[in-house]
Amino acid sequence: EIVMTQSPATLSVSPGERATLSCRTSQSVSSNLAWYQQKPGQAPRLLIYGASTRATGIPARFSGSGSGTEFTLTISSLQSEDFAVYYCQQYNNWWTFGQGTKVEIK
Amino acid sequence: QVTLRESGPALVKPTQTLTLTCTFSGFSLSTGGMCVSWIRQPPGKALEWLALIDWDDDKYYSTSLKTRLTISKDTSKNQVVLTMTKMDPVDTATYYCARTYGDLYYFDYWGQGTLVTVSS
Repeated sequence: EIVMTQSPATLSVSPGERATLSCRTSQSVSSNLAWYQQKPGQAPRLLIYGASTRATGIPARFSGSGSGTEFTLTISSLQSEDFAVYYCQQYNNWWTFGQGTKVEIK
Repeated sequence: QVTLRESGPALVKPTQTLTLTCTFSGFSLSTGGMCVSWIRQPPGKALEWLALIDWDDDKYYSTSLKTRLTISKDTSKNQVVLTMTKMDPVDTATYYCARTYGDLYYFDYWGQGTLVTVSS
């Protein structure tokens, strides 16, 4: 099973600032990686697939990069609605999720 | 538009069998490339993929839970059913169904989830 490691576990950021989230996989997943946003009491929402392609309706302030085993989700200027938990997920070899990064208000 | 909705018991006793139903609309599970998965999330914890069924009735299961899970579909009713045997308190979680479509198996649409508590 491919193990996903997200860092940091919690990220404290002020509104308007940039947030950079990391996801590492235990073996190469090529570009078969997605990012999801989850708010309390809600289902996850797809943000990014193919490591860097924004899903339909996702604002341009969200961007993804990376390939192989190292991936990054960047939120260029945090809005109040962006404070949430973010998960990465690989779909290159079955399906596994990271442990999540909580983005909280500083 | 695409929607999915999970239904099933909110409370089950240890050792019982859980049966969950995912009822969906806006797509057909007979369309080539279409799949539905079950994913769960214990309170305050991360997401865990459980099982997937595709348009061709191929089924895939989490290695760690394979012996306890069965996934099936009723295309005419637009439903996917998951059964999980030998429920234990550690199986307490919100259970989601989610769709994948095409060659890339990310989850583009999710249901709102249903919380299942395992307790005597």
